[in-house]
Amino acid sequence: DQQVKQNSPSLSVQEGRISILNCDYTNSMFDYFLWYKKYPAEGPTFLISISSIKDKNEDGRFTVFLNKSAKHLSLHIVPSQPGDSAVYFCAASLFDNTNAGKSTFGDGTTLTVKP
Amino acid sequence: NAGVMQNPRHLVRRRGQEARLRCSPMKGHSHVYWYRQLPEEGLKFMVYLQKENIIDESGMPKERFSAEFPKEGPSILRIQQVVRGDSAAYFCASSPPSGAQETQYFGPGTRLLVL
Repeated sequence: DQQVKQNSPSLSVQEGRISILNCDYTNSMFDYFLWYKKYPAEGPTFLISISSIKDKNEDGRFTVFLNKSAKHLSLHIVPSQPGDSAVYFCAASLFDNTNAGKSTFGDGTTLTVKP
Repeated sequence: NAGVMQNPRHLVRRRGQEARLRCSPMKGHSHVYWYRQLPEEGLKFMVYLQKENIIDESGMPKERFSAEFPKEGPSILRIQQVVRGDSAAYFCASSPPSGAQETQYFGPGTRLLVL
């Protein structure tokens, strides 16, 4: 049973437009959510996160929205740039001493931003 | 401050051999996590360690896989008697000791190929 799902394996967007990447989760106990960006042959790099007590977090061109009732989060990139082309992973974790730091990842969405 | 370091970056083994993957966390980080990424899939949690302790190994295969994080030196992920299905990218991440909701910083990964 996959607890974090990214249903779109790929997304193509024109430069300057908005990119919206979606993520759904099934475990209502998750209370911290993260987005990572990954280039080929590199490790994932942290992009932005959100705690379950918030519904929005913004950092420059990147905004993450959390809808707890729908168990859904999304990452918005505005405006999209060609350098944003990468694989984006959604991850969720529990705030619990025994599970501290353990993140469950989705399978990723490959974003392509066309010039 | 150097990032998370992993070596080797690429490792080729024949079936039945042992693979040893090393991870040096960021300076000041005492939490280490290992993830595996199979082709076309997301990152799957394997094990979470603190210095000299395994905190959560729920993602580790029961046989042939082991991990350690000694008081001195890097964390080691050991795979004995490798099989072709072990071919994957293995990522290590680290986080500081201040709590559960800390961002994990990933290394560049070790790509294991079993012939």
